[in-house]
Amino acid sequence: SQQGEEDPQALSIQEGENATMNCSYKTSINNLQWYRQNSGRGLVHLILIRSNEREKHSGRLRVTLDTSKKSSSLLITASRAADTASYFCATDARGGANNLFFGTGTRLTVIP
Amino acid sequence: ETGVTQSPTHLIKTRGQQVTLRCSSQSGHNTVSWYQQALGQGPQFIFQYYREEENGRGNFPPRFSGLQFPNYSSELNVNALELDDSALYLCASSPRDRNTGELFFGEGSRLTVL
Repeated sequence: SQQGEEDPQALSIQEGENATMNCSYKTSINNLQWYRQNSGRGLVHLILIRSNEREKHSGRLRVTLDTSKKSSSLLITASRAADTASYFCATDARGGANNLFFGTGTRLTVIP
Repeated sequence: ETGVTQSPTHLIKTRGQQVTLRCSSQSGHNTVSWYQQALGQGPQFIFQYYREEENGRGNFPPRFSGLQFPNYSSELNVNALELDDSALYLCASSPRDRNTGELFFGEGSRLTVL
């Protein structure tokens, strides 16, 4: 089974609004990453947060990590139609192989 | 800097056939990972190659095999194709040294098995 689970599965908002996606995972991690995927194409790395960090910002993105709850959230502020995509969280496995475990993704639709 | 490239972009096979998918890693990256993404799901780790050897494998049967070449490019081979093998196959590269944990993905090869 996959390590991470995102919710909601789908999210539809108006342009200019903020979008929040959540991710839960199961085992101890070294870091957690968020990726974006447009319409079944390749994934693009957005941001990485380490297990000893609680919050990280990159442009309009804000990621939080709560290792006690094994959860993370991705906030996209002032959304744009171009933000329409699927968003995945991905975790490594502390002490494990150098691979990522992806969640099932949140499908975000931003309506112009 | 050249990104990760994959070929072919789309292909159709019939059950029982064999397929080879190819990946050229990003310049300067010596580690290649392969992922399978079924429709509506997240990518699942198949295996990783480093220094031309398999360096970690996910929960996939032996009919999924791979190669890495001295120039760090890689192939994914799938034998005895099954209908459930229909998916987007993603290749990702990363630098083993200076590894930040970030993966750089290609656009994928979409395989349809009939």
